[in-house]
Amino acid sequence: QSVLTQPPSASGTPGQRVTISCSGSSSNIGSNTVNWYQQLPGTAPKLLIYSNNQRPSGVPDRFSGSKSGTSASLAISGLQSEDEADYYCAAWDDSLNGWVFGGGTKVTAL
Amino acid sequence: EVQLVESGGGLVQPGGSLRLSCAASGFSLSSYEMNWVRQAPGKGLEWVSYISSSGSSIYYADSVKGRFTVSRDNAKTSLYLQMNSLRAEDTAVYFCARSAFDIWGQGTMVTVSS
Repeated sequence: QSVLTQPPSASGTPGQRVTISCSGSSSNIGSNTVNWYQQLPGTAPKLLIYSNNQRPSGVPDRFSGSKSGTSASLAISGLQSEDEADYYCAAWDDSLNGWVFGGGTKVTAL
Repeated sequence: EVQLVESGGGLVQPGGSLRLSCAASGFSLSSYEMNWVRQAPGKGLEWVSYISSSGSSIYYADSVKGRFTVSRDNAKTSLYLQMNSLRAEDTAVYFCARSAFDIWGQGTMVTVSS
């Protein structure tokens, strides 16, 4: 059971907006920033969003992040077939003194 | 090019030991915190260990505390994970990752089985 809670799956048709939620607590999301990672099949994860809503260079602007209280979300605006992947949220947990990840959300383009 | 390359994975019997290495290139390892993360087959990501840039602060996940030891050699631009008393549930791909996981290695597979 992951400390951060994500839905196991999400889907949409190409061009549609897809949103993934990430729920935590006061010791992690509530007091620290959230990062999001994309993992394509058979590859290492890749940083997608850092500090709640910042995109690293090279990440398309159709990916956006937000945070409110003890929850965060990742939005994909204009879903593309190449966005099919697993997505993970993560945050530092002050009580556990360690990083915690969400269980991952598999995104499918229908 | 900024790169992390893990090595040292393999098949080991339960109760055995293994030492993973992570070679850094393209950046100054001594300036960055580092982490180990693992992923069991078909499962999600699990944080394993953190080490500060100087090595003075170290943290472990409860699942590996007392069995795994993280270390670094900034002069050799390498990060290490010594894994002892290995269990079947430690079977996973092990990744090293920089700082808040902005750079990841390709991973090295560890299989614990008799």
